[in-house]
Amino acid sequence: GENVEQHPSTLSVQEGDSAVIKCTYSDSASNYFPWYKQELGKRPQLIIDIRSNVGEKKDQRIAVTLNKTAKHFSLHITETQPEDSAVYFCAASERSGGGADGLTFGKGTHLIIQP
Amino acid sequence: DAGVTQSPTHLIKTRGQHVTLRCSPISGHKSVSWYQQVLGQGPQFIFQYYEKEERGRGNFPDRFSARQFPNYSSELNVNALLLGDSALYLCASSPEVGTDTQYFGPGTRLTVL
Repeated sequence: GENVEQHPSTLSVQEGDSAVIKCTYSDSASNYFPWYKQELGKRPQLIIDIRSNVGEKKDQRIAVTLNKTAKHFSLHITETQPEDSAVYFCAASERSGGGADGLTFGKGTHLIIQP
Repeated sequence: DAGVTQSPTHLIKTRGQHVTLRCSPISGHKSVSWYQQVLGQGPQFIFQYYEKEERGRGNFPDRFSARQFPNYSSELNVNALLLGDSALYLCASSPEVGTDTQYFGPGTRLTVL
């Protein structure tokens, strides 16, 4: 089955700086890679996702890059703000039409924005 | 958002008991998935249901079972509870099976004593 490794486990950055979180996956058949943000005591919220036919996707201050050859994808947050502080999870799945695989998650990165 | 709802919010049980957790998906969504999130870890996939049928299962023992109703709501059942079953149980809905995007509910916090 799929295995997703995520690092770092904790990341502390100064407000206004950029943050980068990296994930690797093991199953070359995986073709969908979402990122979720989870604040303490709340539900995971989808912040951005990317599919295997795309190398990069951007949404305002958030971007995700995917390298299928290296089985590696990353989350980039620019101009970080205090409200970006949370735990971020990467995930991977194989979504071959009609397939019903669940998402395989990384262990999470606790992002701390220092004022 | 008029999103995924789950009940109850919190639950305390003792070892050996049985528990039923409930989930209502986003209106119009036909697929429901269940995940277990142990403190400090990412969610782990338990089941996916679509049109009342199990379409996917993660690496969980047979003590875990689920079902989906005609209105697409779902129940997760856990028998013979163990201390290690203490976790946040998350439900996620998506429009169709095989559709990528999953939207999570607030979860049910289960504590087993």
